[in-house]
Amino acid sequence: DAGITQSPRHKVTETGTPVTLRCHQTENHRYMYWYRQDPGHGLRLIHYSYGVKDTDKGEVSDGYSVSRSKTEDFLLTLESATSSQTSVYFCAIGGGPSYEQYFGPGTRLTVT
Amino acid sequence: GQNIDQPTEMTATEGAIVQINCTYQTSGFNGLFWYQQHAGEAPTFLSYNVLDGLEEKGRFSSFLSRSKGYSYLLLKELQMKDSASYLCAVTGFQKLVFGTGTRLLVSP
Repeated sequence: DAGITQSPRHKVTETGTPVTLRCHQTENHRYMYWYRQDPGHGLRLIHYSYGVKDTDKGEVSDGYSVSRSKTEDFLLTLESATSSQTSVYFCAIGGGPSYEQYFGPGTRLTVT
Repeated sequence: GQNIDQPTEMTATEGAIVQINCTYQTSGFNGLFWYQQHAGEAPTFLSYNVLDGLEEKGRFSSFLSRSKGYSYLLLKELQMKDSASYLCAVTGFQKLVFGTGTRLLVSP
């Protein structure tokens, strides 16, 4: 199994508060991704990174920001959480668009 | 943009064969992935097709026709542990786009 962890695994927060989710890898993969998964929508890409300090938006990036200051860490920040951001968030790592991605265990976020 | 269609749910019997179809429209295509996801768990990689034809890997096979924008995942000798969601995903322009997944229920 790929060495990829996410923290926290579960979080409940209130509307309007900032939230940061962390993804950590020990595989030295260049690409890292953040997805959210919701019933009826499947997995949707929020942001991705193709190197340290190199990031780009996915299809549902509004309300989210990311940072990657080290190869092994990719942070996802919700600046001001809303109820619509209640979801399961998955981090993934990979060698690039034509390579399989390895997913972390997920973070279940509830915004009340 | 990209659009991916899969059936929402399928049922099958233990020991049988099931085919899960995926159709896609995309402005750029590099390849097609299939992932398996058990309830409450992370997706795991099953197969990757970049050229037309059938790729076989044990009980699982995946087929791609780029001209038709069509793929299928074939599962043989179904086992109870194959009950899961199967996600079709298309890669292009640096990104992977997933379909909503097909939930497969295998009954005894």
